[in-house]
Amino acid sequence: DAGVTQSPTHLIKTRGQQVTLRCSPKSGHDTVSWYQQALGQGPQFIFQYYEEEERQRGNFPDRFSGHQYPNYSSELNVNALLLGDSALYLCASRRTGGEKLFFGEGSRLTVL
Amino acid sequence: GQQVMQIPQYQHVQEGEDFTTYCNSSTTLSNIQWYKQRPGGHPVFLIQLVKSGEVKKQKRLTFQFGEAKKNSSLHITATQTTDVGTYFCAGPPSGGYNKLIFGAGTRLAVHP
Repeated sequence: DAGVTQSPTHLIKTRGQQVTLRCSPKSGHDTVSWYQQALGQGPQFIFQYYEEEERQRGNFPDRFSGHQYPNYSSELNVNALLLGDSALYLCASRRTGGEKLFFGEGSRLTVL
Repeated sequence: GQQVMQIPQYQHVQEGEDFTTYCNSSTTLSNIQWYKQRPGGHPVFLIQLVKSGEVKKQKRLTFQFGEAKKNSSLHITATQTTDVGTYFCAGPPSGGYNKLIFGAGTRLAVHP
């Protein structure tokens, strides 16, 4: 039983570029959330997807967008990258009604 | 908006010593969760507390939820090198079941 899987694990981009991060939730989970974790900080909620719709959004600009597919997998897209977008991006999944989050290993984004 | 604060930010102990981290929310929480993140790893769920004054134990770890449901603590008895990592508390904001607000974490270093 695979846990939450994310890709890529590491990537380097330059300012102004766009990036797409991918996540497959744990088997049996249908709700996916994305978090941004800057170095030395706690994870910050970006948004959550359920039934292919964005259900709630944190304090992130519209440059951050996402998608959920019918198989529950999800993508996080960030446009017009800024240096400050450098962080570990974590995907977390849970089953409907559950509150425990299962995190993936994360995608470490470096923006130069 | 709601804030979750943790103290201390960092603590180093000798192996065998006890360790405590404290978590305070600016608002009442419906529940509080604790996660552990090993260096270079991802957050892993430890426990959830729901009831006012609740105390739960996991081997050498003791978790408490305050009577007012605004604070919590994690106590580790007789630390081991395997306890190294950052401990985060997190709670859902009022009416915001879909996301978690994380504290900045307490980083624990254990010297053998």
